[in-house]
Amino acid sequence: QVQLQESGPGLVKPSETLSLICTVSGGSISSYFWTWIRQPPGKGLEWIGYISYSGITNYNPSLNSRVTISVDTSNNHFSLSLPAVTAADTAVYYCARLRRLTPPTFDYWGQGALVTVSS
Amino acid sequence: NFMLVQPHSVSESPGKTVTISCTGSSGSIGSNSVQWHQQRPGRGPTTLIYDENQRPSGVPDRFSASIDSSSNSASLTISGLKTEDEADYYCQSYDFNNYVIFGGGTKLTVL
Repeated sequence: QVQLQESGPGLVKPSETLSLICTVSGGSISSYFWTWIRQPPGKGLEWIGYISYSGITNYNPSLNSRVTISVDTSNNHFSLSLPAVTAADTAVYYCARLRRLTPPTFDYWGQGALVTVSS
Repeated sequence: NFMLVQPHSVSESPGKTVTISCTGSSGSIGSNSVQWHQQRPGRGPTTLIYDENQRPSGVPDRFSASIDSSSNSASLTISGLKTEDEADYYCQSYDFNNYVIFGGGTKLTVL
């Protein structure tokens, strides 16, 4: 059974960089496609971006200039980096697997990690 | 920009059937794959329906989905409602750039 687990700091100061890792177990990261989604408190889901196992990326244009997603096949995880955060970046961040890229088709999700941006 | 519009909330009684709509703002929703995701209170999302009407293993056949091209909308139908079905439901598709698009979510209350 494939499982995804988000990890990283739960508190980030404004203007600093939010960094999260999604560790994949029960399957290899060297196939399929991997994605990040976030959910501000009390609001809906917002897609952040995805990456293929070979490193091809596609990002939400509303975040494009700020976000970087990378993949580490040797450690079976992928990462999210979001610099210059503000309070608007406070959210639960989810990682997920895409069984297919076109169309983007979800199958497994992580449990989520709450990240609060505050001084 | 392509958007998916869902009702903010719906409610129905246990044992009944409820339908949640998801309307595309432009184009043809029927030509895009629509998925549905469930998010129970305090939990992360799980995928309920993919490829219009396919269910991952473990999802009961009380959950079904359809597309109505004439109204440019997709629908999720839940029959035999149970209290455990109380959750937020999100439709999801994509646009011509292959960007993932989520609907705003519908809160289902089973009362």
